[in-house]
Amino acid sequence: DIVMTQSPDSLAVSLGERATINCKSSQSVLYSSDNKNYLAWYQQKPGQPPKLLIYWASTRESGVPDRFSGSGSGTDFTLTISSLQAEDVAVYYCHQYYNTPRTFGQGTKLEIK
Amino acid sequence: EVQLVESGGGLVQPGGSLRLSCVASGLTFSSYWMNWVRQAPGKGLEWVAKMKEDGSEIYYVDSVKGRFTISRDNAKNSLYLQMNSLRAEDTAVYYCTSGVYQYDNWGQGTLVTVSS
Repeated sequence: DIVMTQSPDSLAVSLGERATINCKSSQSVLYSSDNKNYLAWYQQKPGQPPKLLIYWASTRESGVPDRFSGSGSGTDFTLTISSLQAEDVAVYYCHQYYNTPRTFGQGTKLEIK
Repeated sequence: EVQLVESGGGLVQPGGSLRLSCVASGLTFSSYWMNWVRQAPGKGLEWVAKMKEDGSEIYYVDSVKGRFTISRDNAKNSLYLQMNSLRAEDTAVYYCTSGVYQYDNWGQGTLVTVSS
């Protein structure tokens, strides 16, 4: 199974500042035949289901603000929020869909400083 | 607008059974792989099972193999999860999701509590 490890576990950032969340996979999720990274990011607010933010490591889902961006390749990935807004307080998860079983990171809790 | 609505959760004793349902609308259900993902109270996300559009491929996480059965009825736009021999560690909110790769649609979830 591919183990997904996020860092940090929690993060406090001031409004308007940049937030960076990292995700490392125990093996590469880059599929050589199509050169795509099989990785997504989700946002989960309290009492709500997760919401897809980013897929293929860097493709923003429709309707997601452009302050959210994803980067990385192979085994190391980053979710960046360029200018933190109050509504971004949530838990963020990375997710690999390179193989089965699908696995998620443990989550990163983002708060306002 | 896509909607996935789960039902069937509740309180069940260890060793008991429960059947979850998920009804989909706003998407061509028969064209999508469907999944169950669960979240234990205060914990992270765990993929549980997935089923191909026509039901010809099915996969489970090891911890539920032999106990849980995923199924679907494309005529009813419905996904099911039959859960037998339930354990305390199966206590979670169970979400229905669509997609073979990223999960772009999620239901609100149904809570399953396994306790005596």
